[in-house]
Amino acid sequence: QSALTQPPSASGSPGQSVTISCTGTSSDVGGYKYVSWYQQYPGKAPKLLIYDVNKRPSGVPDRFSGSKSGNTASLTVSGLQADDEADYYCSSYAGTSYVFGTGTKVTVL
Amino acid sequence: EVQLVESGGTVVQPGGSLRLLCAASGFTFDDYAMHWVRQRPGKGLEWVSLLSWDGGVTYYAASVKGRFTISRDNSRNSLYLQMNSLRPEDTALYFCAKNGLGDGYNFDSWGQGTLVTVSS
Repeated sequence: QSALTQPPSASGSPGQSVTISCTGTSSDVGGYKYVSWYQQYPGKAPKLLIYDVNKRPSGVPDRFSGSKSGNTASLTVSGLQADDEADYYCSSYAGTSYVFGTGTKVTVL
Repeated sequence: EVQLVESGGTVVQPGGSLRLLCAASGFTFDDYAMHWVRQRPGKGLEWVSLLSWDGGVTYYAASVKGRFTISRDNSRNSLYLQMNSLRPEDTALYFCAKNGLGDGYNFDSWGQGTLVTVSS
């Protein structure tokens, strides 16, 4: 199972929006409604931001939103804040396994 | 509050074995499937294995299948990963993660990880 493809980096100024893509195949992203997104700070454990493509766990701000079209999922961070600077990973269920994305480093300019 | 605490990571020689432990608290452990996920130094996340709530269903990544065994002891709220025939490429921070929200196909809580280094 190959890793899902994400852009290595993305950036935006405070208050702007940034969108991160996550491209897989019909065997993972395109085949299930089970895409999730995680935020990870250096040296820390990942944190769940989005599950089931577009649902937010309690406590995650509505500045974070998810969507999917075909084999590509997306995470949008609106109203960028300094503490949004982190690594972001997508993940998809793939039948009898799970696959993560390659990761995107978001920089707040 | 959900707590997951991994332990057992250390330096081990190639070909060696190691058993990792994840101690869980703050939730009804035997209601949830559990996962191991690893992260090689400076690299991305890689899913390793899943074990169902009752131990009846196991899934493994192709990279570890036949070498790693996931297990659990619900009476001790504990998850294990037995790692055999270790290779340098198994060097990573190993996280345990709780199966998640909604239909459950996500990882909603994570431990801080335990570092496994495979080196001679």
